[in-house]
Amino acid sequence: GAVVSQHPSRVICKSGTSVKIECRSLDFQATTMFWYRQFPKQSLMLMATSNEGSKATYEQGVEKDKFLINHASLTLSTLTVTSAHPEDSSFYICSARVGSSTDTQYFGPGTRLTVL
Amino acid sequence: AQSVTQLGSHVSVSEGALVLLRCNYSSSVPPYLFWYVQYPNQGLQLLLKYTTGATLVKGINGFEAEFKKSETSFHLTKPSAHMSDAAEYFCAVHSYNPGGKLIFGQGTELSVKP
Repeated sequence: GAVVSQHPSRVICKSGTSVKIECRSLDFQATTMFWYRQFPKQSLMLMATSNEGSKATYEQGVEKDKFLINHASLTLSTLTVTSAHPEDSSFYICSARVGSSTDTQYFGPGTRLTVL
Repeated sequence: AQSVTQLGSHVSVSEGALVLLRCNYSSSVPPYLFWYVQYPNQGLQLLLKYTTGATLVKGINGFEAEFKKSETSFHLTKPSAHMSDAAEYFCAVHSYNPGGKLIFGQGTELSVKP
């Protein structure tokens, strides 16, 4: 149980285009989902917290107009990188949590974004 | 505010040797603590977690961790390393701010030599 999927696993795009990454909780309903960014050999950096049916809460320094997050249902959250640039190339990981704030987060397999 | 410090960005052990990955936390309230493992180009997998109760927590793949309040530590151990244990390990503490985000340590890369 507690499986989280991400799609696509890898994407290459041209600079200036937008890319959408999906995060799905496959066997549970996630009231809260999180989006992280990870640079090589570094820890995870939380970008935003997403609650179903409400606006995402972004961490300080994360551009909400560039990284659009939508949490349309209890099993799906999407991250759209708008007008992507090479510096947006990174490993993006989502996680999902079932209920209260102290419940375990379950992580997706990650999406490798490369912007040319 | 909560924080986590992992001592040693890289640990190397021989196959069959004891694995010890260190994690110290800072928290003004009783912490919820987690260890996650990340294999190359993959997401994070939960190894174990401490919430309340028994201070020795057993996880998957033979790992365990002991919560020591007096030392503010939550070190991860495994009696005998296996080649498949080579990965990145992250210690995390639950943050009691609205949203309940996780605060991660910087990670420790474990190498296992044959």
